[in-house]
Amino acid sequence: GAVVSQHPSWVICKSGTSVKIECRSLDFQATTMFWYRQFPKQSLMLMATSNEGSKATYEQGVEKDKFLINHASLTLSTLTVTSAHPEDSSFYICSARERQGINEKLFFGSGTQLSVL
Amino acid sequence: RKEVEQDPGPFNVPEGATVAFNCTYSNSASQSFFWYRQDCRKEPKLLMSVYSSGNEDGRFTAQLNRASQYISLLIRDSKLSDSATYLCVVNNAGNMLTFGGGTRLMVKP
Repeated sequence: GAVVSQHPSWVICKSGTSVKIECRSLDFQATTMFWYRQFPKQSLMLMATSNEGSKATYEQGVEKDKFLINHASLTLSTLTVTSAHPEDSSFYICSARERQGINEKLFFGSGTQLSVL
Repeated sequence: RKEVEQDPGPFNVPEGATVAFNCTYSNSASQSFFWYRQDCRKEPKLLMSVYSSGNEDGRFTAQLNRASQYISLLIRDSKLSDSATYLCVVNNAGNMLTFGGGTRLMVKP
């Protein structure tokens, strides 16, 4: 089946630094990728929808200048958490949508646990 | 009202039991429906897509009721390894994918 690679899987950083997370679709082209954030014991919260070659669409309440998304190719999207603060500590997950005709499936990366000290 | 709602549980069931979860959605224009399974601190994994005619995969059966706007997941002969959070995902028109809050299932010996 389709595979989505996400790395790093674990990041610990100091407050004020920036962290980049990569999400790659390994064996299919993903025109759309999604970035989620998940706090403990809560469900996934969509942060933004990343479309190849265009600007990302951010959900309400998500600061686009803080969470920079780049989707420069059909297989790669990156999320950069700029000037990270402890409240940004969370589990970040990307997903990529594979479409085959009328069927579609959503595949997830393995997630990145971000801890900001 | 949330777009996609699930009973958070937890559902505590003994091994071998049959358990069912429902998920209601508010947008009647929703087009695609899925059940995902998520283990603690892991990424969600697709369990099954939900088709209008319903579908079955081994011990798992998913059904869609468009009139009442809900989907269901039935697990027969529960195993300890079925313990996880089950996420209902609804795809509205366009790119909008909405997750339910998840239902926790704990299968006990």
